[in-house]
Amino acid sequence: AQSVTQPDIHITVSEGASLELRCNYSYGATPYLFWYVQSPGQGLQLLLKYFSGDTLVQGIKGFEAEFKRSQSSFNLRKPSVHWSDAAEYFCAVGLPGGYQKVTFGTGTKLQVIP
Amino acid sequence: ETGVTQSPTHLIKTRGQQVTLRCSSQSGHNTVSWYQQALGQGPQFIFQYYREEENGRGNFPPRFSGLQFPNYSSELNVNALELDDSALYLCASSLKAGGTAYNEQFFGPGTRLTVL
Repeated sequence: AQSVTQPDIHITVSEGASLELRCNYSYGATPYLFWYVQSPGQGLQLLLKYFSGDTLVQGIKGFEAEFKRSQSSFNLRKPSVHWSDAAEYFCAVGLPGGYQKVTFGTGTKLQVIP
Repeated sequence: ETGVTQSPTHLIKTRGQQVTLRCSSQSGHNTVSWYQQALGQGPQFIFQYYREEENGRGNFPPRFSGLQFPNYSSELNVNALELDDSALYLCASSLKAGGTAYNEQFFGPGTRLTVL
């Protein structure tokens, strides 16, 4: 069965500093890969996705992610964090075909300090 | 274009009761998925409805059931509520079209269910 691991439960960064959130997945083939953000009281918003092709993916709000097949990783990065980026971030995988079930990691809560 | 909406926003029930949660899909979408998000966890897939039929289910017992209506809105019903059913329930809609490799899911804000 597919699984997603986000090893960092909570991360604190200073405003303006760079950010990297880690994600590892377990699946026999390359699944579809996603990063979502969830602010308090809000639903999930898709930041970016990877299906195939260029392994560096650009998303919204200045985020990017890099797919590394050899490491089964899909880490999320941002060069300069803004206070409004404080939220919970979820990595997710989707299986191609079928009913396209999405499996989420347990999330990383990002705190941004002045 | 209206996004995904869910009602109610919050709900408190007691153990053993039954609950119905509602979801209105984004305009033009024909598929609805439901997820359960317990506190401190990522969302877990409950099931998906496509054209009024369940076409995929996660590891949830039969007391979790659903419906999709001709206008593609959906309900999630949970019978015999247990304390562990306390969670945020998220609905996501998407447009499943032939030949599409993957259909992006758009999430609603969720319904917070508390079981006492």
